[in-house]
Amino acid sequence: GDSVTQTEGQVALSEEDFLTIHCNYSASGYPALFWYVQYPGEGPQFLFRASRDKEKGSSRGFEATYDKGTTSFHLRKASVQESDSAVYYCALGLQGKLIFGQGTKLSIKP
Amino acid sequence: DTTVKQNPRYKLARVGKPVNLICSQTMNHDTMYWYQKKPNQAPKLLLFYYDKILNREADTFEKFQSSRPNNSFCSLYIGSAGLEYSAMYLCASSSGRRTGQLYFGEGSKLTVL
Repeated sequence: GDSVTQTEGQVALSEEDFLTIHCNYSASGYPALFWYVQYPGEGPQFLFRASRDKEKGSSRGFEATYDKGTTSFHLRKASVQESDSAVYYCALGLQGKLIFGQGTKLSIKP
Repeated sequence: DTTVKQNPRYKLARVGKPVNLICSQTMNHDTMYWYQKKPNQAPKLLLFYYDKILNREADTFEKFQSSRPNNSFCSLYIGSAGLEYSAMYLCASSSGRRTGQLYFGEGSKLTVL
């Protein structure tokens, strides 16, 4: 079935480090891809999406590029801040449904 | 106002008892969703309403019921809670099924004892 895999369960970085969170998907069709962010005590929030191969989505300094060949949508940020500490979810959208990955908890040390 | 409200925020239930969780949104969104989130697992879609049409996932079809009396409200009903129902339940809404931009509530944490 359709699924999303996030390799890292937890990532610990220092401020100004470069961030990569890996996301790979498996889908029967041509899905849209998403990143969501969840801060403590809140529900997940939409970060950005990409709908077609080679399209780049971005928001708040985060970016990811849809790669149909490697079925990936890795999240990157050049310089993380303490305020980026949160759980990040990769998701795919097909037939009106969103399927989420397990999430990656990002912790930033000041 | 992009707010989705869920009640109660915390619910303690006994095994075998019913549970009713409520969600409301004021954005006039046509689609409302319920997800179940357990620790170290991905949020799992249980069901969604597109307007008045209910779509339930095949593997949770018999475990959860839902109603949407009007556009703003949606409930999730468990007829007889079991220990495996302990989880965070997340409600979300969207304008149009295919945008993928969901607005989530803060969640209802259900503990079944």
